[in-house]
Amino acid sequence: EVQLLESGGGLVQPGVSLRLSCAASGLTFNRYTMNWVRQAPGKGLEWVSGISARGDRTYYADSVKGRFTISRDNSKNTLYLQMNSLRVEDTAVYYCAKDMAWNLGYGMDVWGQGTTVTVSS
Amino acid sequence: QSALTQPPSVSGSPGQSVTISCTGTSSDVGSYNRVSWYQQPPGTAPKLMIYEVSNRPSGVPDRFSGSKSGSTASLTINGLQAEDEADYYCSSYTSGSTVVFGGGTKLTVL
Repeated sequence: EVQLLESGGGLVQPGVSLRLSCAASGLTFNRYTMNWVRQAPGKGLEWVSGISARGDRTYYADSVKGRFTISRDNSKNTLYLQMNSLRVEDTAVYYCAKDMAWNLGYGMDVWGQGTTVTVSS
Repeated sequence: QSALTQPPSVSGSPGQSVTISCTGTSSDVGSYNRVSWYQQPPGTAPKLMIYEVSNRPSGVPDRFSGSKSGSTASLTINGLQAEDEADYYCSSYTSGSTVVFGGGTKLTVL
């Protein structure tokens, strides 16, 4: 069974850093682009970032560019999101999602259960 | 990176058909066939229902279909069932090498 399991969320103050992880199992991890998608409380989905199958290309939404860094370790089947200078508006459930192809945007067919990040003073 | 435009809500009775629109621009929906649709019941993770405009992943009922004309994509659900009640989101690849979602549409089965 293909599974994605996020971890690393929590309650933090504005301005601090947090790193999310997503452990993949049941798939050939290094064949697919991976994404982070977030959903603020009561709001819609927002794509945050993507990374190519080999990790050589990264993509970011304007809202997080310069503050968040996506990375992956294909030897550990794990995706990461380093979040710096966190803001109140970054509060959301963060989902890890697998793209259907080695390239970005073809459709996200496997999703994790999400990890909650709350930024509050 | 403006969100794609979806109607906030649609509704239909069991057995009827509904269509949800998703309007973008020439920088996203209008230029790429990388349009997807997701279903999200309350409190759950999204589920892929349509990819590359009109393709259904394995296990998705053929009551669900997708299409595109110009910069507007559409999801049609035929033979509505109570279990179809959920939020639906479209997404598209963009010329900026990003992905953009629609604002979401709440489907109510009357």
